Amino acid sequence: DSGVTQTPKHLITATGQRVTLRCSPRSGDLSVYWYQQSLDQGLQFLIQYYNGEERAKGNILERFSAQQFPDLHSELNLSSLELGDSALYFCASSEGGQGIREQFFGPGTRLTVL
Amino acid sequence: QKEVEQDPGPLSVPEGAIVSLNCTYSNSAFQYFMWYRQYSRKGPELLMYTYSSGNKEDGRFTAQVDKSSKYISLFIRDSQPSDSATYLCAMMWSGDDKIIFGKGTRLHILP
Repeated sequence: DSGVTQTPKHLITATGQRVTLRCSPRSGDLSVYWYQQSLDQGLQFLIQYYNGEERAKGNILERFSAQQFPDLHSELNLSSLELGDSALYFCASSEGGQGIREQFFGPGTRLTVL
Repeated sequence: QKEVEQDPGPLSVPEGAIVSLNCTYSNSAFQYFMWYRQYSRKGPELLMYTYSSGNKEDGRFTAQVDKSSKYISLFIRDSQPSDSATYLCAMMWSGDDKIIFGKGTRLHILP
């Protein structure tokens, strides 16, 4: 168990809908990262937050947005969902700060768009 | 050309064999090289990381980096059925928290 929690575990929804995925980082970790994993693209970095502020952006679509709250939990919002958004979404956390820090991954949320 | 290339497998080997997993990359700015293991229906977990070129050993696992060839490897000695998982190579450059992952190689160790 990495100490990172994600809810829900599974989500099934329809095209055009909007969903919110939630992540609680390990105790003491200030950085939260969101990744998307699909068979086609593999594990792709979406976005990083550090202590409430956006720090880095990857291949995140404009239909997707994220935020990190004062208690450091984070939410990833996916809107106008398309079939191609079906994937595993992982959250990871790290201490943050300068230098390389190990990222600890949560168990993921499996999103199915029908 | 993708930044990181990794053969998806699957790779099936008998228990006790030596396993070799490899990745190539195109960005010479990468400085940190990692291997993650991902069991089915779980998140990735960090196995090993190395900085720049060279070898690093941890128990049955050895990571090698050849920056001149832009090639990294993970060797597993005395492979066990519990090593059956997907192995993802990953890379970072200094000053950036973004990790670039390979697509992963599915490994099956046959008892």
